[in-house]
Amino acid sequence: KQEVTQIPAALSVPEGENLVLNCSFTDSAIYNLQWFRQDPGKGLTSLLLIQSSQREQTSGRLNASLDKSSGRSTLYIAASQPGDSATYLCAVTDGQNFVFGPGTRLSVLP
Amino acid sequence: GAVVSQHPSWVICKSGTSVKIECRSLDFQATTMFWYRQFPKQSLMLMATSNEGSKATYEQGVEKDKFLINHASLTLSTLTVTSAHPEDSSFYICSASDPSTGNTEAFFGQGTRLTVV
Repeated sequence: KQEVTQIPAALSVPEGENLVLNCSFTDSAIYNLQWFRQDPGKGLTSLLLIQSSQREQTSGRLNASLDKSSGRSTLYIAASQPGDSATYLCAVTDGQNFVFGPGTRLSVLP
Repeated sequence: GAVVSQHPSWVICKSGTSVKIECRSLDFQATTMFWYRQFPKQSLMLMATSNEGSKATYEQGVEKDKFLINHASLTLSTLTVTSAHPEDSSFYICSASDPSTGNTEAFFGQGTRLTVV
């Protein structure tokens, strides 16, 4: 059974710092991996999608990498801003449904 | 990207009543939609897979008679929480992928906060 973990569970950084969020999954037979952002009490916003054949994806200040063989993905956020404060979830899919990690709660302090 | 709309965004109901939550794909057709539940400070857990024109597939431990799913059209799936109890209070989110894109990028509804009193 696929299990997804995320480290750290919570992170607090001053504005402007670069940071890395980690995601690990136990079964490397994934179709793709997706990073989401969730604001308190809100739904999910898709940030980046990495197909299983890809190594990384970039969008603005965000860069996500995928090492399928080792079961790891990282989300790199450059020049963090207070507006980046949210919970970040990674999820893997076998092509149908998703298995989510527990999330990393990020606080960016002004 | 594709848009998935969920309604209502929040609902408060009395214990013992039923609540219906709608999930619509606004600009694409979705043969499959997924329903997730999220308890406070926990991650999302898949409840069931909703299949257009056929019965939903429920995850282990999810009561299919309590959480009724209907996927009557290619753009609408509904989740009905029957005889709701306070322990059903949770955040419910649906998702769907646009098959025309050729990938499985998931798009999520805004979520529904259910409070049973």
